[in-house]
Amino acid sequence: DIQMTQSPSSLSASVGDRVTITCRASQGIRNDLGWYQQKPGKAPKRLIYAASSLQSGVPSRFSGSGSGTEFTLTISSLQPEDFATYYCLQHNSYLWTFGQGTKVEIK
Amino acid sequence: EVQLVESGGGLVQPGGSLRLSCAASGFTFSSYWMSWVRQAPGKGLEWVANIKQDGSEKYYVDSVKGRFTISRDNAKNSLYLQMNSLRAEDTAVYYCASLSNYFVDYWGQGTLVTVSS
Repeated sequence: DIQMTQSPSSLSASVGDRVTITCRASQGIRNDLGWYQQKPGKAPKRLIYAASSLQSGVPSRFSGSGSGTEFTLTISSLQPEDFATYYCLQHNSYLWTFGQGTKVEIK
Repeated sequence: EVQLVESGGGLVQPGGSLRLSCAASGFTFSSYWMSWVRQAPGKGLEWVANIKQDGSEKYYVDSVKGRFTISRDNAKNSLYLQMNSLRAEDTAVYYCASLSNYFVDYWGQGTLVTVSS
């Protein structure tokens, strides 16, 4: 099974900061990866698909990059509404795997 | 408007069974793979199972194989998860979702399953 290692598990940042979250796959997954945002008590919402494509309606401050085993989600200028938990999800194999999550908190 | 509405959650004793349902509307349900994703209290997301459009392929996370069964009824626009031999570690909010298409990201509101004596 493919394991996804996400880091950091949490971070504190200020409004306007640039934030970077990483996911590493235990084996190559091409670009079969999505990034999700989840706020407390709510269902997740996909931000990025195919590793680097912005989901419709998602602000352009969110971007994704990577291929193979290493992937990055970047928020170019953190906004108050971006404080949430972020997850990667690989769908390269028939058995999908989420990363452990990164909680973005207010500094 | 797309809607996925889960039902069937509740309190069940260890070793017991529960059947979750998900009613879909607002999109062509039969055209998409469907998934169940769960989240234990205070924990991260865990993919549980997928089912192909016609039900001919099903995949499960190792921890539920042999205990859970995913199924669908395209005539009723419904997705199901039969959960048997439930354990405390199955306690979670269970989400029904359609995630397999790049342009489709549909989630239900979740239903809570609590396994406790």
